[in-house]
Amino acid sequence: DTGVSQDPRHKITKRGQNVTFRCDPISEHNRLYWYRQTLGQGPEFLTYFQNEAQLEKSRLLSDRFSAERPKGSFSTLEIQRTEQGDSAMYLCASSLSGTSGGHTQYFGPGTRLTVL
Amino acid sequence: KQEVTQIPAALSVPEGENLVLNCSFTDSAIYNLQWFRQDPGKGLTSLLLIQSSQREQTSGRLNASLDKSSGRSTLYIAASQPGDSATYLCAVSWNNNDMRFGAGTRLTVKP
Repeated sequence: DTGVSQDPRHKITKRGQNVTFRCDPISEHNRLYWYRQTLGQGPEFLTYFQNEAQLEKSRLLSDRFSAERPKGSFSTLEIQRTEQGDSAMYLCASSLSGTSGGHTQYFGPGTRLTVL
Repeated sequence: KQEVTQIPAALSVPEGENLVLNCSFTDSAIYNLQWFRQDPGKGLTSLLLIQSSQREQTSGRLNASLDKSSGRSTLYIAASQPGDSATYLCAVSWNNNDMRFGAGTRLTVKP
């Protein structure tokens, strides 16, 4: 079990540029979540996938944000035309859903985005 | 509106003390509640998950309780150690899809 991994760990970009982050979940997990966390706050839910299907998107996910999980394994989160307000830690988590109740979400180390 | 609140925002205790962290939530019809630990600049580590049908969970020196009717959960840490210093986050799921987090309690355990 290698855990959830995220790449890159840090990204500095200029306003207006596009950025893409990658998340590799725990291999047998069918659910994958994206969250955003700003300083001093708890994570805020952005979106989640069950296998390759994107089942829910937060209103925080503006049209500049897009997420994919093409084969139900890794996922990418792209932010187009970045703004300074996008500066945050982007966290990925995965879990194994089942009929017996909610399962623990396991988080990756996060990608810290700084928009200059 | 479904919200999660954690009080206090910060707590400092001497080593060896037992302590309680509080989490409150609106809307008692939760699916589950999870406590996490976060070290500075790092991701989250799951500590305990309490299902809606459960009243408490224990892991080592940690005990989490759930009282849905009052909309509260507590995380009890026994015999605190400097290594317990971190931010503790409470997260509630109402639908087994997304989770809503509190802002966290930043704990400092002084040697």
